[in-house]
Amino acid sequence: GAGVSQTPSNKVTEKGKYVELRCDPISGHTALYWYRQSLGQGPEFLIYFQGTGAADDSGLPNDRFFAVRPEGSVSTLKIQRTERGDSAVYLCASSPRPSGNNEQFFGPGTRLTVL
Amino acid sequence: DAKTTQPPSMDCAEGRAANLPCNHSTISGNEYVYWYRQIHSQGPQYIIHGLKNNETNEMASLIITEDRKSSTLILPHATLRDTAVYYCIAITVGTASKLTFGTGTRLQVTL
Repeated sequence: GAGVSQTPSNKVTEKGKYVELRCDPISGHTALYWYRQSLGQGPEFLIYFQGTGAADDSGLPNDRFFAVRPEGSVSTLKIQRTERGDSAVYLCASSPRPSGNNEQFFGPGTRLTVL
Repeated sequence: DAKTTQPPSMDCAEGRAANLPCNHSTISGNEYVYWYRQIHSQGPQYIIHGLKNNETNEMASLIITEDRKSSTLILPHATLRDTAVYYCIAITVGTASKLTFGTGTRLQVTL
């Protein structure tokens, strides 16, 4: 079956611009997570959605970052006034909830480059 | 969630068993040990998890010491496709279960 998909796969933007990154989770998965991964590091948690609501946004680095999931399926991560330090791979994962196994299924990521 | 410690890198010959250690000396009774791996340019992939009993699935085996302070992931017959970064993560199940990745172990499988 279809896995988690993320678009675009690559995004190059200029400092100060606005970007949107999209995540399509596995159908029926109610939990959705965003992570970001800098070169040579493990993924770092950003935000978690259960259904339509953000249950935990403690990982968002500042108020330039915002994410939505209006219908409880597709999610969009929005970054305003991008900075060079935002360059990273942004990963999305989904998980069926409730579930006895907290396995998260990851997408391939979006590589964001801020020039 | 408890902090985990892993060696930064390991090598393994193809066809041999790869044994990847993880230290989690501060793990609490309601924390599971999860293993994920990340092949180059892909998202992380779940491998296996356990609480205190040893576990086995089609991908790997997980051996957890009796005191639960450490564990070992075993890939019984490593192939070149198993070359990846392997992450050991302690998670309190029943919470949001966000994953806290460290830097993992980079396993290089060689001919």
